[in-house]
Amino acid sequence: DTGVSQDPRHKITKRGQNVTFRCDPISEHNRLYWYRQTLGQGPEFLTYFQNEAQLEKSRLLSDRFSAERPKGSFSTLEIQRTEQGDSAMYLCASSAGTRPTGELFFGEGSRLTVL
Amino acid sequence: QKEVEQNSGPLSVPEGAIASLNCTYSDRGSQSFFWYRQYSGKSPELIMFIYSNGDKEDGRFTAQLNKASQYVSLLIRDSQPSDSATYLCAVKGPQAGTALIFGKGTTLSVSS
Repeated sequence: DTGVSQDPRHKITKRGQNVTFRCDPISEHNRLYWYRQTLGQGPEFLTYFQNEAQLEKSRLLSDRFSAERPKGSFSTLEIQRTEQGDSAMYLCASSAGTRPTGELFFGEGSRLTVL
Repeated sequence: QKEVEQNSGPLSVPEGAIASLNCTYSDRGSQSFFWYRQYSGKSPELIMFIYSNGDKEDGRFTAQLNKASQYVSLLIRDSQPSDSATYLCAVKGPQAGTALIFGKGTTLSVSS
C-alpha cells in the first residue's frame, strides 16, 4: 500500500495560465475525491468519482475546473484561466467502496500559487 | 446547506491534561463521523471514526457521538506536545460514496 500520491506537490503559475494536477489513489480504492483547502478552512469538496464515473460535483466547481478519471485509476484536475482566488491546496483522497463507513485517505496535496 | 461547526480555537492545554474537542452538524441523516488531524502544511490524517451513539476508544483517543443532539466530540487523554495540530471533524451522509463534509477545524496547542 503506497498511499495516495499527488503531483506536482507545488505549482506556481501566472494568472490566466492553465494547470493540471494528477492523483494516483490507493490501488484497491474505487472512489476518488478532490477537495480544495485554503488557510484556516477545512477541506471543501469539489468532485467525486466512482471508478471512471464522475458522480458528484460541487457548486464550487466553476466551468474553469474539469476533472477526469478515464480508466478508473488515476485522476486529473485541470484549472483553466487561473485566477488568484484559485490559490489553495488541492487535496485528493480515495476510499474503498467495500467500506460502508466511507473513511477517506488523503494524499499530500498539490499547493497552487497563482501570481 | 449541510454544515459542520467547530470552535476554531486555539485550545490550549498543558501536557498530560485532557483535551476536549467538539463538533456539531446540521444534517440529521448523517451516518458516519470522522476525526482527522492535520499538522501545519500537511494533509489530513484519519484518527478515528464513529457511527453508533456512545463512546469509541482507541488508545489515548475517545470519540463520543450523540445523534439526538447532533453532536460529536473527541477527547485526547494525556495530551502530548506532538498532539499540537488542527483537528478536523467530518460528517458523511447516508448514501454510499457521499463525500465527507468538513468543519473548519480546531487548533490544539499542548504546552510542555
